[in-house]
Amino acid sequence: AQSVAQPEDQVNVAEGNPLTVKCTYSVSGNPYLFWYVQYPNRGLQFLLKYITGDNLVKGSYGFEAEFNKSQTSFHLKKPSALVSDSALYFCAVREGNFNKFYFGSGTKLNVKP
Amino acid sequence: NAGVTQTPKFRVLKTGQSMTLLCAQDMNHEYMYWYRQDPGMGLRLIHYSVGEGTTAKGEVPDGYNVSRLKKQNFLLGLESAAPSQTSVYFCASSSMGLAGGNGQYFGPGTRLTVL
Repeated sequence: AQSVAQPEDQVNVAEGNPLTVKCTYSVSGNPYLFWYVQYPNRGLQFLLKYITGDNLVKGSYGFEAEFNKSQTSFHLKKPSALVSDSALYFCAVREGNFNKFYFGSGTKLNVKP
Repeated sequence: NAGVTQTPKFRVLKTGQSMTLLCAQDMNHEYMYWYRQDPGMGLRLIHYSVGEGTTAKGEVPDGYNVSRLKKQNFLLGLESAAPSQTSVYFCASSSMGLAGGNGQYFGPGTRLTVL
């Protein structure tokens, strides 16, 4: 069965510092992995995805994620955090054949000035 | 291009009342989904549809019904609302194909309270 784990409910980081939001996954077959961001009272917005190819994928707003097959991880990163990055972040895995998505429980990112 | 829209944005129901949530997308996507979002639990799939006229159960389908009579619309119905159905409901759509496009496109959500 497909599943996604986000081990941290909350991540706190100072503005200008690098940030990492962790995600591990369990899938049968090739993983299709996604990161979404949710701002208060809004729907989820796509940030980036990994389908195949280079393990480091770049996405919107300066975010990137590193796919690590041996550790079954897909951590979200940004070299220098902004206060405006404060939001709820979701990792998701897509079940290839049926286009179903499984979401992690979300990680709240707090970036302090 | 409005993307994914949801109606209504807010609703308060009494236990036992019924209602229908409407989702519409203008991207010609084959797949549509209904999720509920509860604190600390992420998004849980209620029902989904892989095309016009087809629907399937997700993780938490009990107490909900859906219909996809037109490709662009996906309706979520609560026949007899219960307080446990108090939640924020999100509709999403996605395109076919293994590449998956940009994953799913989400609506702005419907905040439902059942008293």
